[in-house]
Amino acid sequence: NAGVMQNPRHLVRRRGQEARLRCSPMKGHSHVYWYRQLPEEGLKFMVYLQKENIIDESGMPKERFSAEFPKEGPSILRIQQVVRGDSAAYFCASSPRQGAGEQYFGPGTRLTVT
Amino acid sequence: KNEVEQSPQNLTAQEGEFITINCSYSVGISALHWLQQHPGGGIVSLFMLSSGKKKHGRLIATINIQEKHSSLHITASHPRDSAVYICATKGGSRLTFGEGTQLTVNP
Repeated sequence: NAGVMQNPRHLVRRRGQEARLRCSPMKGHSHVYWYRQLPEEGLKFMVYLQKENIIDESGMPKERFSAEFPKEGPSILRIQQVVRGDSAAYFCASSPRQGAGEQYFGPGTRLTVT
Repeated sequence: KNEVEQSPQNLTAQEGEFITINCSYSVGISALHWLQQHPGGGIVSLFMLSSGKKKHGRLIATINIQEKHSSLHITASHPRDSAVYICATKGGSRLTFGEGTQLTVNP
């Protein structure tokens, strides 16, 4: 049973470009969470999604950031018009259910904005 | 102020020592996670617990719901245990993370 997959593992973008980060949850998991770890800082919640639904996006910046988890395919975290402050590690986690379900983390995508 | 506080921030030990990392939180939770982040950046979930104590190999995690406190213990520490250990509380759908404890175990 493959774990949570994220790609790309490393992504370099120039200021103003778009970044697309992908997360494939573990088989049988229908809940996906995105977290961001800024340099020298702790992890912060961004968004929680179920298939085709955004459940909680209270941790997501209001502008330039969006997330989706379509019926088919991976969850996508999209950052438009990236700025240097977006440089961070973005982790996705999945769980089979909400509530007491344990979350399993992917390896992360390290975004560098030049 | 972070709702989840870890101590110590940094910890250096000699191989074989008994390690304790503490986590305090300020609001009610449904569960608490202990995570390990390796130098390469990957995150591994060590424990999820909502009461009592769990043990896995040389790792032991305890939680006191009334005191809003959890501890992670490592017995017979080894250099390969060197990593950042992160406490995360679960309330509703989200995890709230502590700042992490950087553990270095010297041979």
